[in-house]
This record gives sequence, structure tokens and C-alpha cells, in this order.
Amino acid sequence: RKEVEQDPGPFNVPEGATVAFNCTYSNSASQSFFWYRQDCRKEPKLLMSVYSSGNEDGRFTAQLNRASQYISLLIRDSKLSDSATYLCVVNKRFDQGGKLIFGQGTELSVKP
Amino acid sequence: DVKVTQSSRYLVKRTGEKVFLECVQDMDHENMFWYRQDPGLGLRLIYFSYDVKMKEKGDIPEGYSVSREKKERFSLILESASTNQTSMYLCASSLSGMGETQYFGPGTRLLVL
Repeated sequence: RKEVEQDPGPFNVPEGATVAFNCTYSNSASQSFFWYRQDCRKEPKLLMSVYSSGNEDGRFTAQLNRASQYISLLIRDSKLSDSATYLCVVNKRFDQGGKLIFGQGTELSVKP
Repeated sequence: DVKVTQSSRYLVKRTGEKVFLECVQDMDHENMFWYRQDPGLGLRLIYFSYDVKMKEKGDIPEGYSVSREKKERFSLILESASTNQTSMYLCASSLSGMGETQYFGPGTRLLVL
């Protein structure tokens, strides 16, 4: 089983749609959670950290469910510029080095 | 604004050549990382460093070595390039603590012929 699993997509949605991505992780001791965004042929960039109580940044909402070990990202009112690959990121346990583990990403394509 | 730069955006090398990829960060970050990214495999950690002259193997260190002589600079070395090392190489840095946000450089697309 992969340490971080995501549906690769692609998700094809019209402008203005609401779209949700889920991600599951295997390490119950993980403490840090992030969503990164990666545009085609560019480097990953931090979109938002994910906090236990859930958090929102404009049109983006992230949720964490520790009991079920999954993370979600909700994008409301999708824009053409939201087209990208979204990477779910989780850290390893400290005794395993605490490194970040990146999911393979979910591709989103927003159409006019 | 955190800035991570990589020495080349595109590189073409021949099998057996020694290849140096350089990464520099300007935010006094403690940790630096080298990843490679391949379609269908995602980002895989090659090596990382949490201090000057310190290095740790990641998940796929075979065929690679690293050097960190100064805090701001982390080099990835392919001792004898092979075609299966054709990939996108990404450098990242983070402030301190291994679970911190990582900031990436623009990447180097390496083609080994």
C-alpha cells in the first residue's frame, strides 16, 4: 500500500463548479499535512497547510480526518487558472526521519 | 520571499558522464532535499541534508551522491550517468524540523543519451 494515495484523475470540470479531492495516508503518527499545487512542467508550490480543525483560504477548504486517515481539498467556484495537479503531502514519523511524503497528485482541468 | 535556484533548467548528457546539479537557497534554511519526479511515480526523495556537511539517504540514493559544504548550497552528483536517470530533478529547502513546509526550485530536466 502506498503511504499517500490519491485519485490521479483527471477531473474535468466546468468553470464555476465545485470539486473535491481526497487523499488517504497510511502512517497514523503523521503530524504535518499539506496540499501543494503543481502547474505543468513547473515546480510544486505550497497551496495550504491542513490543520486538525480544518481551514479555509478563499475558495479553498482543507479538512483532516485523523480517525479515517484522510485529507480533503474542496475548491469552490473553479477558475480556469485552477487547472493544475494537486499533491497531497504528509510527514513520516519522527523516528523515521519525519520526511515529507508526496502523493502522486490529482490532475484538475477546468474548462470554459 | 523564499528563493531556491537550480543551476540549469535543461541538461543533456551522455551515458557515463559525471553530472553536477547545483541548488542554492537564500533563506538560511537548515534542511535541503533532492527529489526526482517521473510520470506515474511522483516525487521520490534521493538525498537530504539537515546541516552543513551532513547528509542522509532518501528512498532512492543508488547512483547518486551529494555535497553540502555551505549552508545555502546543496549539490547532487551523478557519478556515471545512465539513461534511467533521465528525469526531472527538484531541489527543495525547509526552515528546520523535518515536517516543515518545503520550498522548491524550478527543477532541472536531465536527459541522458
